[in-house]
Amino acid sequence: QKEVEQNSGPLSVPEGAIASLNCTYSDRGSQSFFWYRQYSGKSPELIMFIYSNGDKEDGRFTAQLNKASQYVSLLIRDSQPSDSATYLCAVYNFNKFYFGSGTKLNVKP
Amino acid sequence: GAVVSQHPSWVICKSGTSVKIECRSLDFQATTMFWYRQFPKQSLMLMATSNEGSKATYEQGVEKDKFLINHASLTLSTLTVTSAHPEDSSFYICSARDTFLLAGFSYEQYFGPGTRLTVT
Repeated sequence: QKEVEQNSGPLSVPEGAIASLNCTYSDRGSQSFFWYRQYSGKSPELIMFIYSNGDKEDGRFTAQLNKASQYVSLLIRDSQPSDSATYLCAVYNFNKFYFGSGTKLNVKP
Repeated sequence: GAVVSQHPSWVICKSGTSVKIECRSLDFQATTMFWYRQFPKQSLMLMATSNEGSKATYEQGVEKDKFLINHASLTLSTLTVTSAHPEDSSFYICSARDTFLLAGFSYEQYFGPGTRLTVT
């Protein structure tokens, strides 16, 4: 069983819509969770991290964490074509970061 | 913000030769750096954890004699791909872990821009 699982997509949304990206993890003791955005041919860039149950908002981005369900999500409001990228979910455990396979998001103008 | 550089950004080498990739934390000290490899359309695969002043910890399936890691200072880690073969062609990304704890128990990592290795 993979540590972190994501739907590979692609997820297509129209410009201005809300994009919802999901991630599940296997280790119930995991404490911190990260969302990264990766453009093709580039290295990942951090969008936000979350460690408490509930929602955390930063601009157009909202991360949601449900530890009981071992589920993390990222909502992108007012999606823009420039948001088109692969979104990686990562979990920090035992001094290492475990990455999901990423979800490719396409925002159509 | 924290900046991590990698050099070179891309390299082409012939099969059988060795290639060294440098990873530097420019404005902070990193006792721990990570080396990842990413094949096209796949996620990041952790190769090894590099700790300053000690031997690197390799992930299962990664040949430590082929991928030599040296973390000689708090700002520099190097990955040497020895006797490179075409199947080693990949995007190699390093990251440096901040020494400050997030919320008291977690760390943030800062990624370098990556090195694209092509072995012919």
